[in-house]
Amino acid sequence: GQQLNQSPQSMFIQEGEDVSMNCTSSSIFNTWLWYKQDPGEGPVLLIALYKAGELTSNGRLTAQFGITRKDSFLNISASIPSDVGIYFCAGPSGNQFYFGTGTSLTVIP
Amino acid sequence: ETGVTQTPRHLVMGMTNKKSLKCEQHLGHNAMYWYKQSAKKPLELMFVYSLEERVENNSVPSRFSPECPNSSHLFLHLHTLQPEDSALYLCASSQQHRQDYGYTFGSGTRLTVV
Repeated sequence: GQQLNQSPQSMFIQEGEDVSMNCTSSSIFNTWLWYKQDPGEGPVLLIALYKAGELTSNGRLTAQFGITRKDSFLNISASIPSDVGIYFCAGPSGNQFYFGTGTSLTVIP
Repeated sequence: ETGVTQTPRHLVMGMTNKKSLKCEQHLGHNAMYWYKQSAKKPLELMFVYSLEERVENNSVPSRFSPECPNSSHLFLHLHTLQPEDSALYLCASSQQHRQDYGYTFGSGTRLTVV
């Protein structure tokens, strides 16, 4: 079945560094969503993308809808300790809604 | 209170116990979902309710039994669980089933089966 693969699986970075992660699929998506899950909490929607090539920002976060419609990217600038958590991509394809495998981010103060 | 609320936050139960997880949403959404989140695995969709009707059941063992009495409440009844059922159980809602605006999640119930 469909799987959204996220890379990297985990990241350990120094506070203040920029972060880049991506999500790829084997089929085309018309919507890409990025969620963040804080430890012990449910995922929270960060950014939604609806058009190929679209670049959308939410504070220090910027996400892009890949031109091929089979990938998406999330960047975090000037990371801070509260950025720690698991970042998931997600989206509907066909009759299903899929979540990625997640990227775990640790920020070292 | 707003958003999606799940209770209890933590639950420890024996394999012979019967317990229920509760989810309540105050967003006026028409669809509600149960997901299971195990360590190192993607979120697994368990059940979907749209307008109080079950529309998906993804091959979940019968020891998990959902109930949706109205569009604001969703329950997951548990009985004779196995240790491998220990996980974070997340409830989510969306305005319509499979719509593109994403889901709103609750904080989850951390279930431990002993």
